[in-house]
Amino acid sequence: NAGVTQTPKFQVLKTGQSMTLQCAQDMNHEYMSWYRQDPGMGLRLIHYSVGAGITDQGEVPNGYNVSRSTTEDFPLRLLSAAPSQTSVYFCASREFGTNRGGQFFGPGTRLTVL
Amino acid sequence: GIQVEQSPPDLILQEGANSTLRCNFSDSVNNLQWFHQNPWGQLINLFYIPSGTKQNGRLSATTVATERYSLLYISSSQTTDSGVYFCAVERSGNTGKLIFGQGTTLQVKP
Repeated sequence: NAGVTQTPKFQVLKTGQSMTLQCAQDMNHEYMSWYRQDPGMGLRLIHYSVGAGITDQGEVPNGYNVSRSTTEDFPLRLLSAAPSQTSVYFCASREFGTNRGGQFFGPGTRLTVL
Repeated sequence: GIQVEQSPPDLILQEGANSTLRCNFSDSVNNLQWFHQNPWGQLINLFYIPSGTKQNGRLSATTVATERYSLLYISSSQTTDSGVYFCAVERSGNTGKLIFGQGTTLQVKP
């Protein structure tokens, strides 16, 4: 299994541009989520999904959109990038439900918005 | 919301030394994980430990859920142990939303 994969690894955008961060997992996990990590801080939840067609907001959802059309994929969209969105973005997945094991994280995407 | 506090914030060790990292949380949880973020930014799962004790090589972890804390033990530290150690919890009944602590930055000197 490849686990959780993310593309691209690095991206530079100009303010106002849009882009999609890709996330895929091959473990048939129902639950997927996106986090951002700012310098010197822990990760904060942006959006999450408990299955295809179901998404919800996390702690810092503003400026980001998500959709979940398949179990495997969970893309994160930035509609109009802002410098405040410069961060490292991590995607994660796990089996849904309590006490079903921990979350597995992808390698991250480092995004810079100029 | 639930608060997660890690201590110490920074730790410097000589190679071969032992250390204990602590994670306190403010509410009951059904998931607690320890991660190591290496110098390249990769998040590595160390333990999924909502309660009890687990060991993996030189690392072990204990969570006392009733007292709302977890400990990560690193024995015979190596330079490759350097990085940031994060504790993350998922509140009971709130499946899937991990709340991260601020991390402990560990530097192991040769």
